[in-house]
Amino acid sequence: EDKVVQSPLSLVVHEGDTVTLNCSYEVTNFRSLLWYKQEKKAPTFLFMLTSSGIEKKSGRLSSILDKKELFSILNITATQTGDSAVYLCAVLSGNQFYFGTGTSLTVIP
Amino acid sequence: DVKVTQSSRYLVKRTGEKVFLECVQDMDHENMFWYRQDPGLGLRLIYFSYDVKMKEKGDIPEGYSVSREKKERFSLILESASTNQTSMYLCASSPKTWYGDAEAFFGQGTRLTVV
Repeated sequence: EDKVVQSPLSLVVHEGDTVTLNCSYEVTNFRSLLWYKQEKKAPTFLFMLTSSGIEKKSGRLSSILDKKELFSILNITATQTGDSAVYLCAVLSGNQFYFGTGTSLTVIP
Repeated sequence: DVKVTQSSRYLVKRTGEKVFLECVQDMDHENMFWYRQDPGLGLRLIYFSYDVKMKEKGDIPEGYSVSREKKERFSLILESASTNQTSMYLCASSPKTWYGDAEAFFGQGTRLTVV
């Protein structure tokens, strides 16, 4: 059975902290791993990762994939209150997306 | 920009009612999906469709059916709504993925409350 596991389930940090969100997976036909940010509405796309060891960056966010160990991390540096959201990890396996339960991040001023 | 539009943001229905949730996408995507999202359980796939009139059951199809008569529209039907179907429903679409990678594009979600 294909599955995606995220940790931690929730996280509370202060502005300026750096956070690392984890995503591990076991799927039968891996094609790519995706990160989304969800703020009380539709998830919005952050990154797509297909190759191991290549870091994707967008401002203060970065992500990397390890296809040997079957996991990915999402890093957020110098967190801001606007980073408060649920971060979803999804794996595209075959023709389906498999989602983790998400990590709820709260950034306190 | 890809647009996925769900017909309602909020719905309140009574137990036993038949409920239709509509989703329309404007990017000619082959694949469309219906998920429900509950606290602590993440997104769970109800049904997906990879072509007109084609459908596949996801992880939790019981109590639901779907219809895809046109490529751009994917409807989720609750035949007889029950209180345990109170949830956030998310529709998504993506291009066919057999020949490359793709991302899922989401609608804004429908928060359904069954009373």
